[in-house]
Amino acid sequence: QKEVEQNSGPLSVPEGAIASLNCTYSDRGSQSFFWYRQYSGKSPELIMSIYSNGDKEDGRFTAQLNKASQYVSLLIRDSQPSDSATYLCAVRSGGYQKVTFGTGTKLQVIP
Amino acid sequence: DVKVTQSSRYLVKRTGEKVFLECVQDMDHENMFWYRQDPGLGLRLIYFSYDVKMKEKGDIPEGYSVSREKKERFSLILESASTNQTSMYLCASSSAWGRQTYEQYFGPGTRLTVT
Repeated sequence: QKEVEQNSGPLSVPEGAIASLNCTYSDRGSQSFFWYRQYSGKSPELIMSIYSNGDKEDGRFTAQLNKASQYVSLLIRDSQPSDSATYLCAVRSGGYQKVTFGTGTKLQVIP
Repeated sequence: DVKVTQSSRYLVKRTGEKVFLECVQDMDHENMFWYRQDPGLGLRLIYFSYDVKMKEKGDIPEGYSVSREKKERFSLILESASTNQTSMYLCASSSAWGRQTYEQYFGPGTRLTVT
């Protein structure tokens, strides 16, 4: 079983819709959770970090964490074509400096 | 803003050559990381360092070594490059303290081709 799992996609949504990206993780002791955006040919860029259960909002982005279900999601409201990218989920287990990345979900926003 | 720079964007080397990839960060971060990224395999950790002269193996350290002589600089060394080391190499850094603990910031990447 992979430590961090994401659906590879592509996930296609029309412009203006809400895109919902999901991630599950296997280590129940995980402490920190991150979402990165990666455009083709570029390096990952940090979008959000979340550390406690519930929702965290930043502009059009909302991260949701449910530790009991070992599930973290990213919602993108009012999706724009410029949001088309691969979104990586990353999880840090307690006591460790390193994080484990999922393989990413490719999002396509259709104009 | 956090700034992580890598010595080259593109590099072409021959099989058997010794290859040095350098990474520099300007945010006084304690932790530095080297990953490779391949299609379908995602980001895989090669080595990381949590302090000067300290290093730990990641998931795929074979064929690689690292050096961290100064806090801001972390080098990845391919002792004898092979074609299966053709990949995108990404450096990242993170703080071990404060509000942004463990958030990793990436450099632009080096696309290495070994022929």
